[in-house]
Amino acid sequence: AQSVTQLDSHVSVSEGTPVLLRCNYSSSYSPSLFWYVQHPNKGLQLLLKYTSAATLVKGINGFEAEFKKSETSFHLTKPSAHMSDAAEYFCVVSPRAGFQKLVFGTGTRLLVSP
Amino acid sequence: DTEVTQTPKHLVMGMTNKKSLKCEQHMGHRAMYWYKQKAKKPPELMFVYSYEKLSINESVPSRFSPECPNSSLLNLHLHALQPEDSALYLCASSQEASSSGANVLTFGAGSRLTVL
Repeated sequence: AQSVTQLDSHVSVSEGTPVLLRCNYSSSYSPSLFWYVQHPNKGLQLLLKYTSAATLVKGINGFEAEFKKSETSFHLTKPSAHMSDAAEYFCVVSPRAGFQKLVFGTGTRLLVSP
Repeated sequence: DTEVTQTPKHLVMGMTNKKSLKCEQHMGHRAMYWYKQKAKKPPELMFVYSYEKLSINESVPSRFSPECPNSSLLNLHLHALQPEDSALYLCASSQEASSSGANVLTFGAGSRLTVL
């Protein structure tokens, strides 16, 4: 069975400082992993995905994530936060193929202060 | 066109009403999904259609009735809903994943449903 744990329900940063959103996964095989972002009253937008190619994955809006198999982690980072980054972020694990269920983490709300 | 379009954006209905949510995509995707999202929670899968056939029903109550008229359209018919059904309903689509590909979902902006 697969599962994903987002270690922080809320993260607060100041504009211009680095962002770290933590995600640990559990999977009996090498998974596909995603980060999605959801702004208030909006749908989910794909930030980036890992599908067994390079372990350092670059996404949109300056975000990136590193797949670490030894630590079963897929943390999301950004060097410098912007006010527009304030949103809910979901770490998601998926079977490598097929359209079985995605497994969502519980989400991390990123708060960015001026 | 890389969007999933959902209508209406907002819907208020009484418990005896019948209404429908609509979803449309023109990306050639062959899998379409309905998710339900309560406030401050992750999305929960309701239904999956593959090649216009229902492939997954997550034990959703029969007051929710999905329909996939063609490969671009997905509807969710609502009847005799309860106040606890109030939520954001998200539609998503994906290509049929190959054995070497991951299943990347493209989500719509959602339909905010309030049941009085």
